[in-house]
Amino acid sequence: DIVMTQSPDSLAVPLGERATINCKSSQSILYTSNNKNYLAWYQHKPGQPPKLLIYWASTRESGVPDRFSGSGSGTDFTLTISSLQAEDVAVYYCQQYYTTPWGLTFGGGTKVEIK
Amino acid sequence: EVQLVESGGGLVQPGGSLRLSCAASGFTVSGNHMSWVRQAPGKGLEWVSIIYSGGSTYNADSVKGRFTISRHISKNTIYLQANSLRPEDTAVYYCARALADSSGYHSWFDLWGQGTLVTVSS
Repeated sequence: DIVMTQSPDSLAVPLGERATINCKSSQSILYTSNNKNYLAWYQHKPGQPPKLLIYWASTRESGVPDRFSGSGSGTDFTLTISSLQAEDVAVYYCQQYYTTPWGLTFGGGTKVEIK
Repeated sequence: EVQLVESGGGLVQPGGSLRLSCAASGFTVSGNHMSWVRQAPGKGLEWVSIIYSGGSTYNADSVKGRFTISRHISKNTIYLQANSLRPEDTAVYYCARALADSSGYHSWFDLWGQGTLVTVSS
């Protein structure tokens, strides 16, 4: 299985400041045939189900605020919240879908709090 | 309204069985890939099982031979039959709709239910 490693485990950011979450895969999740990175990002708030934010590493899901952006390629990826809002407090997970169907794996999660 | 509603969780002894259900509304389970993802207490997300729109099914190694995913098309519901349960299967089990790339197999999850808690303990 591809191992997804997120960093940091947690971070505290002042309101309105930038939050950056990293996700590293143990092998490349870039399909050279279509030049797409098989990576998604989710937001998970307590007592709620996870919510899809980003897929194909950088495509924002419909309805997701544009302060959320995804970047990276190959093995190194980043989720950026450009201006942290109170409602963004959550745990964020990356997920690779390169190895499928039986090898879908998530990162360990990054907890984002207000400083 | 497009939504997923899980049920069937509860307390079960080690070695026991449970059947989880996930009722879909606003779309058809037969026309979509559907999956189960779990979260153990204090842990991250773990993919468990998937049933593709064509009917093929796959499980994570951690549950292979013990869990079975299925669907009832007329009830628009998917199931997870969990047998030989272990304490490490204790988790909130989420039902999720899976989108896929052009191959139809590389999947991410765009719609999630609220989850149902399974506790395996004596």
